[in-house]
Amino acid sequence: DQQVKQNSPSLSVQEGRISILNCDYTNSMFDYFLWYKKYPAEGPTFLISISSIKDKNEDGRFTVFLNKSAKHLSLHIVPSQPGDSAVYFCAASSGGSEKLVFGKGMKLTVNP
Amino acid sequence: GAVVSQHPSWVICKSGTSVKIECRSLDFQATTMFWYRQFPKQSLMLMATSNEGSKATYEQGVEKDKFLINHASLTLSTLTVTSAHPEDSSFYICSAIPGHIQYFGAGTRLSVL
Repeated sequence: DQQVKQNSPSLSVQEGRISILNCDYTNSMFDYFLWYKKYPAEGPTFLISISSIKDKNEDGRFTVFLNKSAKHLSLHIVPSQPGDSAVYFCAASSGGSEKLVFGKGMKLTVNP
Repeated sequence: GAVVSQHPSWVICKSGTSVKIECRSLDFQATTMFWYRQFPKQSLMLMATSNEGSKATYEQGVEKDKFLINHASLTLSTLTVTSAHPEDSSFYICSAIPGHIQYFGAGTRLSVL
């Protein structure tokens, strides 16, 4: 039973355009969400997070939106750059727990 | 961001041997570290929570006698894969938390022949 779902395995966008990565979750107890970026044979790198008390968090080119009623969050990257090409993982935690539940990841390719 | 160092980055071993992987927090103290495993095109699966000065907490289905975890200091946790077999071949990643965000090591690619 996968509690964090990234249903699209891959996304390809043109440089300069917007990339939208989606994530759905089933556990209503999740109250903290994170996005990580991962290159092959490397550990994940933290990108941005959002608490359930917010519906939007922005950091430079990265914005995360949270829709609690739909149990859905998305990561927007604007403008997309070739260096953004990587696998992006959505993760969630609940009740102040330090444990994270990860989605399967989505491979983003930004074409020059 | 915080730095978590993992060593080695890649190891090849014969079936039946044991392999030790180290995870260090370089610029902060970590009472808790996490060990994950990732199979190709799969998610990161939490194996265990490593607690400084006490026993690790293993996730359901993870053999504690197979994957020995030691967290002897506030900056070092080790994972030992005992009597490794080809099915243990995977990408192992550790993480630590200097606050509210988990920071990950670079991972260790284990190949068991």
